[in-house]
Amino acid sequence: NAGVTQTPKFQVLKTGQSMTLQCAQDMNHNSMYWYRQDPGMGLRLIYYSASEGTTDKGEVPNGYNVSRLNKREFSLRLESAAPSQTSVYFCASSEGRGLGYGYTFGSGTRLTVV
Amino acid sequence: AQSVTQLDSQVPVFEEAPVELRCNYSSSVSVYLFWYVQYPNQGLQLLLKYLSGSTLVKGINGFEAEFNKSQTSFHLRKPSVHISDTAEYFCAVSEIRGGNEKLTFGTGTRLTIIP
Repeated sequence: NAGVTQTPKFQVLKTGQSMTLQCAQDMNHNSMYWYRQDPGMGLRLIYYSASEGTTDKGEVPNGYNVSRLNKREFSLRLESAAPSQTSVYFCASSEGRGLGYGYTFGSGTRLTVV
Repeated sequence: AQSVTQLDSQVPVFEEAPVELRCNYSSSVSVYLFWYVQYPNQGLQLLLKYLSGSTLVKGINGFEAEFNKSQTSFHLRKPSVHISDTAEYFCAVSEIRGGNEKLTFGTGTRLTIIP
């Protein structure tokens, strides 16, 4: 009963390096989301995928790219990391049919860019 | 566009005392409302939600919330808190537009229980 799995849990990058955050869900959910959490700012939506094969920008997409690889997996890529991208990143999934089930969250990736 | 306001960034409460965490939202259409809890170094867990029907909803761990449409509020309450309730609490809103369901979160309220 894994739910939403994120890897890695922790990562330290140097400015300019690239990396991909992985997310997979096993609940057959249609929609997947990437949020970042910063102190005093709550959770802000980076990108989302309403269904397999589609992706859309959220509130803070600059500096990120995403790939909905299949129904289970939704990855987030930082092409050239910057210190401003130091944050905790959460992946979430939902039925996505407007039925009010809410989201299931992963346990997060704590990213530090130095 | 929908938005959520949690006016209290931090709330200290003595153990066994009651607590209310405030949440106000704005939206031009009907909404679903949620409260999530985040324990230290963990992800977010659903505490309770309002979809329709009774305006008083009960969740896990003895929490409840009341939907007030006229005041566009969805305040979270617990009559007697415990040390284990120490966590950050997020209110969230989802506009009902059929098909797509995007949650907008408030900035969170950190609840600290004082022994």
